[in-house]
Amino acid sequence: AQTVTQSQPEMSVQEAETVTLSCTYDTSESNYYLFWYKQPPSRQMILVIRQEAYKQQNATENRFSVNFQKAAKSFSLKISDSQLGDTAMYFCAFMKHEGSNYQLIWGAGTKLIIKP
Amino acid sequence: NAGVTQTPKFQVLKTGQSMTLQCAQDMNHEYMSWYRQDPGMGLRLIHYSVGAGITDQGEVPNGYNVSRSTTEDFPLRLLSAAPAQTSVYFCASSYSTGSGEKLFFGSGTQLSVL
Repeated sequence: AQTVTQSQPEMSVQEAETVTLSCTYDTSESNYYLFWYKQPPSRQMILVIRQEAYKQQNATENRFSVNFQKAAKSFSLKISDSQLGDTAMYFCAFMKHEGSNYQLIWGAGTKLIIKP
Repeated sequence: NAGVTQTPKFQVLKTGQSMTLQCAQDMNHEYMSWYRQDPGMGLRLIHYSVGAGITDQGEVPNGYNVSRSTTEDFPLRLLSAAPAQTSVYFCASSYSTGSGEKLFFGSGTQLSVL
């Protein structure tokens, strides 16, 4: 069964620093999608970034970028120039494909605190 | 554009009571799903639907029913609430899932079962 592991339950950094959140996953599939979602205290789930496994180029969205290492099954999120508004839970998710069904498998999350 | 609307935002039930969590989307999305979120765990899929009239079970379906009579609505029914169903529930939708499209989430329902 596919699993997603986020090994850092909680992290904190000073504002303007760079922080990297770790995510590893287990799958035997060769084509799949990976996601990072953010959940601020408002509870709203917000897509941060998305990566297609067949693309070698790492996805970027402004201050957010990923380090996708397919062979190592690693998908870390880097946040540059961190801001107070980045304080949130961050979830890594893997999209698995079973027949005609696509389902997301989620990690347990990393609580990120940005300190002023 | 309202997106995904979930009601209620908070609910307290007694053990054995039944209730329906409502979910509606106005984006003409084919795919809709229900997740529960528990502390220290990732989201877990309860039920999902790939179109009107089509539903299927996710990872943790026991104790929940769903139906999809229209494209817009996907209610989740708790048949006989139990304390183990205390959780935050999220409805999510996307146009499809085959191309790895992002999910649009509702704002969640905090449910407590006493």
